Amino acid sequence: DAKTTQPNSMESNEEEPVHLPCNHSTISGTDYIHWYRQLPSQGPEYVIHGLTSNVNNRMASLAIAEDRKSSTLILHRATLRDAAVYYCILRGSMDSNYQLIWGAGTKLIIKP
Amino acid sequence: KAGVTQTPRYLIKTRGQQVTLSCSPISGHRSVSWYQQTPGQGLQFLFEYFSETQRNKGNFPGRFSGRQFSNSRSEMNVSTLELGDSALYLCASSPAGGLAGVNEQFFGPGTRLTVL
Repeated sequence: DAKTTQPNSMESNEEEPVHLPCNHSTISGTDYIHWYRQLPSQGPEYVIHGLTSNVNNRMASLAIAEDRKSSTLILHRATLRDAAVYYCILRGSMDSNYQLIWGAGTKLIIKP
Repeated sequence: KAGVTQTPRYLIKTRGQQVTLSCSPISGHRSVSWYQQTPGQGLQFLFEYFSETQRNKGNFPGRFSGRQFSNSRSEMNVSTLELGDSALYLCASSPAGGLAGVNEQFFGPGTRLTVL
């Protein structure tokens, strides 16, 4: 199963952009890259996902490297409410019945 | 649309007992997945059900089992509880139609199980 590697923690200042990196060097051609976040005392929350092209939604942007071995989640203007653990996950192929394989995540700390 | 609901939210059991946790997915979602979350191991996949059939299973002992009903509601059962089973158990639902890789999962708040 393909795995992801993320920094354990990152700090950022409020109202500044945040770039959260993720390495997935063993990604297969059919794996989707998903990002979730988990706020304290809550279940994980979907943020964004993509396959090959960069993606934008109201929460964030996802930049995917051309070789798909890495990706970056971009929060354009971090707020205190964005403090959470961010998980970069590969949504497996049909061979693995589409299960999500979770890594350790990055704890994002936002400084006021 | 109501979100994923899990009951109970908190549970205290003793070693050797068994426990059943319940999950009601978002209306129209046919896939339900279960995860165990502990500080040491993080989020670990237990199993996934789709249309009442177990579609995939993680690396957990047979004491962990689950089922899904025709209305997509799901239950998971843990028999002969051990201290190490203390964890947050999360349920997630997904439409899971067609190319499931594109479907996001919607998580419930979890059931906090404490085994004494």
